[in-house]
Amino acid sequence: NAGVTQTPKFQVLKTGQSMTLQCAQDMNHEYMSWYRQDPGMGLRLIHYSVGAGITDQGEVPNGYNVSRSTTEDFPLRLLSAAPSQTSVYFCASSPPGHLAGELFFGEGSRLTVL
Amino acid sequence: GDSVTQMEGPVTLSEEAFLTINCTYTATGYPSLFWYVQYPGEGLQLLLKATKADDKGSNKGFEATYRKETTSFHLEKGSVQVSDSAVYFCALSDTGNQFYFGTGTSLTVIP
Repeated sequence: NAGVTQTPKFQVLKTGQSMTLQCAQDMNHEYMSWYRQDPGMGLRLIHYSVGAGITDQGEVPNGYNVSRSTTEDFPLRLLSAAPSQTSVYFCASSPPGHLAGELFFGEGSRLTVL
Repeated sequence: GDSVTQMEGPVTLSEEAFLTINCTYTATGYPSLFWYVQYPGEGLQLLLKATKADDKGSNKGFEATYRKETTSFHLEKGSVQVSDSAVYFCALSDTGNQFYFGTGTSLTVIP
């Protein structure tokens, strides 16, 4: 099973450039989310979605956009990258029902902004 | 707001030693509590969870008990192995939509 797939795994950007981190899941999960992981900060929620067409902000949404046009995909867009966005980004999804509350994570995308 | 405070690391133990990683939480409601583990170069994966007070989550020899009176969810294992070397994250979720993670505790087990 593929689970949660993130691309790219590594990316280097210059300040001001834009890019999209892709996230796809094949488990038919309604809930999807994006986190960033920084040393000493743990994981912080950027944006999340409870279904196609529905998105909401998390703890640190500034500088990031998301959309959810299908159940499977939840891309994260950086419109104008800044060095403060250097981080490891994780996409995670969660099933409904009795398993709600368990997150399934992708392998992460390491982004460096110069 | 909701938050998780986790024992600082790194922690280094000899194989077969006893492990405790402390976790306390602040929440306005009655959250579910989780321990996630991250092996090098991988994403996080669920280790165990508890959804109500006095529940004990367990998996792979690890245990944690949801203590409402002390707002704690400490992770324990009686005898660690080299393969347990990883970063451990305590987390909570009140609604299932927003999860709050601790800062992570790095564990290294030496033979």
